[in-house]
This record gives sequence, structure tokens and C-alpha cells, in this order.
Amino acid sequence: DGGITQSPKYLFRKEGQNVTLSCEQNLNHDAMYWYRQDPGQGLRLIYYSQIVNDFQKGDIAEGYSVSREKKESFPLTVTSAQKNPTAFYLCASSIVAGQGTDTQYFGPGTRLTVL
Amino acid sequence: GQNIDQPTEMTATEGAIVQINCTYQTSGFNGLFWYQQHAGEAPTFLSYNVLDGLEEKGRFSSFLSRSKGYSYLLLKELQMKDSASYLCAGMDSNYQLIWGAGTKLIIKP
Repeated sequence: DGGITQSPKYLFRKEGQNVTLSCEQNLNHDAMYWYRQDPGQGLRLIYYSQIVNDFQKGDIAEGYSVSREKKESFPLTVTSAQKNPTAFYLCASSIVAGQGTDTQYFGPGTRLTVL
Repeated sequence: GQNIDQPTEMTATEGAIVQINCTYQTSGFNGLFWYQQHAGEAPTFLSYNVLDGLEEKGRFSSFLSRSKGYSYLLLKELQMKDSASYLCAGMDSNYQLIWGAGTKLIIKP
């Protein structure tokens, strides 16, 4: 089965700790994205990557970091510098970025709660 | 600035028809997407419009008017499983998606 997996589904961390969220896809998609979803707001783009070893900041990259060492994997680290990290994090992928018809497909999400 | 507006919540009756509206302002335009999101789950793709007019897919249809910056999602023969949030997203000139906050659709028997 092809798809996007995110783990874990629920994550609890203490304030001041860094945490890494996993995102893996076996769709052979070039582009991958990280979004944050908060109640009453639209999805906000954190980082995206169009190709291995390259990534760009989205609208709210401060306090986050990513890597793209493999085509299949795009992990997101939420650092202690992120002031309000509690949110629902969604990873997505698309065949290639930069085309209007290119649909983004989403993983199941990770709900991060910082205590 | 870029903005997507859609109603926060709508209620409809099982078996009926509902129309969810979306207005958009984006820097450039490369299409309009609709996604469905059940509570606590991932958004799933419903439709994409880049030309004016109506696209029909079974019980769901999506309409676009580029001159008015307006789209709607039409759901027919509503079922209880259609209770979800419906997200409208416009693609700007950089091929980035600008997302609305979503419309929560409540279906009553």
C-alpha cells in the first residue's frame, strides 16, 4: 500500500525539550511539506522540500528545523525556541512542486502537546 | 495580502443539498482546491478547479468563478458520514496553497 505515514499519532513533551516528528512516504513523490493546524485557523506552512537535500522556509519556520536526506523521509524537529508548539502537525507530499495540478496528499498527523 | 474566506459552520439535513462558499484573494492564481477533513484526521482531496465552471464528481461538485474570486462546493444527497470540515485552498503564483480555516458541516437526521 502506498501512502504517507506519520509517527507517533500523539506526542507529549515537557516545555524546553526538542522533539522530532517523523514523516515517511512511499509514493515516490519529489515534494514534501509540513503544516501546522490550530483550531479556527487554516493550515500554515512550516517548511517544504522540492528535492532531496534542499528545503525552503514556509510562513512560520521560526522554532522549527527539517532535513531531507532521503526522498522518502522529511522529519520535522520542534525546538525549544518555538513559543507555542502545541498543535496538530500534518505532513504532505506531491509528485512535484510548482505545478497547479499537483495535488498534495496528507499523512494522518501528529498531535503534539507540550506540558 | 492573501486571504481565503469561508463560513465557520453550517448545518444541513440528511438527504438534502448544501453549498459551501469560498472567496479568495491570492497573489496570482493557479487553481482552487477543496479538501474534506474528519475530526482528528488528515485532509483528503476532493476537487481542483482552475478554469471557470462546474466540475462534477458523483455527489460532490465544485464551481469556480475567477472574475469574482469565488468558489463553492456542492454536496448532494447528504449522508451522516459527510459530517466533517471542508477546507478551501487557493494556489498562488508561487504554487503555494493558501488555506481557509475550514467550514464545519453538521448533518442532522
